[in-house]
Amino acid sequence: GEDVEQSLFLSVREGDSSVINCTYTDSSSTYLYWYKQEPGAGLQLLTYIFSNMDMKQDQRLTVLLNKKDKHLSLRIADTQTGDSAIYFCAERYRGRRALTFGSGTRLQVQP
Amino acid sequence: DGGITQSPKYLFRKEGQNVTLSCEQNLNHDAMYWYRQDPGQGLRLIYYSQIVNDFQKGDIAEGYSVSREKKESFPLTVTSAQKNPTAFYLCASSGDRDTEAFFGQGTRLTVV
Repeated sequence: GEDVEQSLFLSVREGDSSVINCTYTDSSSTYLYWYKQEPGAGLQLLTYIFSNMDMKQDQRLTVLLNKKDKHLSLRIADTQTGDSAIYFCAERYRGRRALTFGSGTRLQVQP
Repeated sequence: DGGITQSPKYLFRKEGQNVTLSCEQNLNHDAMYWYRQDPGQGLRLIYYSQIVNDFQKGDIAEGYSVSREKKESFPLTVTSAQKNPTAFYLCASSGDRDTEAFFGQGTRLTVV
């Protein structure tokens, strides 16, 4: 079955870059997503990448996809204290509209 | 404004009671989903519905039930058969041409 894995915690200093990593197992994934969750709130879509792309950049966010290794990363440039949150990687694989989520990475930004 | 509304934000349930969580969307989306979130475990799919009057079990459906009588609404009932219902519940929806799922703000259910 499908599985999505992330490391649980990342701490960076304000102004540094953050890199959050994710691995997935299902090779039929069509889209891969990054969502952000602030305390007590729902999930907010940050960005997504189609599985035939290698990279997508959107302002401070850069997504890299290594399809061979089934590895997805999210780089946040110039990380700010407001970026402190839990970041979820998710995949949507062929034949299923519901997303499969990783366990989330808690990003802590130190001033 | 278009969006997904979950209510209530906080819900307390006594052991042995059934409770129903509300989810309404005005995005004209066909598909709706319920997820459960526990600390450190990410989101797990409970039930989903792709069209009105149809729904399928997700990965952890035991102890839950749903209905989809209207396109806009997808209520989730947490029954007394659910052994560990304390969690954060998230509802989401997506359209045919949408690649993303839109989420509500969640309901935190606590058994007292």
